[in-house]
Amino acid sequence: DAKTTQPNSMESNEEEPVHLPCNHSTISGTDYIHWYRQLPSQGPEYVIHGLTSNVNNRMASLAIAEDRKSSTLILHRATLRDAAVYYCILWGGSQGNLIFGKGTKLSVKP
Amino acid sequence: ETGVTQTPRHLVMGMTNKKSLKCEQHLGHNAMYWYKQSAKKPLELMFVYSLEERVENNSVPSRFSPECPNSSHLFLHLHTLQPEDSALYLCASSLVKFATNEKLFFGSGTQLSVL
Repeated sequence: DAKTTQPNSMESNEEEPVHLPCNHSTISGTDYIHWYRQLPSQGPEYVIHGLTSNVNNRMASLAIAEDRKSSTLILHRATLRDAAVYYCILWGGSQGNLIFGKGTKLSVKP
Repeated sequence: ETGVTQTPRHLVMGMTNKKSLKCEQHLGHNAMYWYKQSAKKPLELMFVYSLEERVENNSVPSRFSPECPNSSHLFLHLHTLQPEDSALYLCASSLVKFATNEKLFFGSGTQLSVL
């Protein structure tokens, strides 16, 4: 299975941008990069996904490196409600299911 | 609100009990999933259903028995569980099974404690 590497934890200040990194050096050409987040006492929630080009939606932006071996999830203005575990997941030809790793626990300080 | 509803939210059961977890979605999705999340461990995929047919069983013990009577409902029947089965059980759905350009929609989960 194609694997991802994320920092265990990160801290941010409220109303500041947050850049959550993810390394995936063994990504294959058909793997999509997905991001989900899990708030306390909730199920995971879809954030964004992309293949090659950068992507934007109302929740976040996804910046994908040109060689696709890394990506960054960008929260433009962190709020206290963004405190969660963020999962970077590869989903594509190398595996059939969405396989979650340990993710990055984001703390947001007021 | 994701459109995937799980009941109950919390469940405490003894090792000799039989209980069922319920999941419901009215998103028009054709694939449904059971995941298990133990404390401090990543989510583990348990079962996958596509168009009411079980298409994957990830070496889950037989004391967990899934049922998918229609594309909107998914059950997980539990019997003679062990304390180590205590975990958050999550249901998810997607439009199509294994579609890598699709999103999964998760319920809030059932927090299960086995005494």
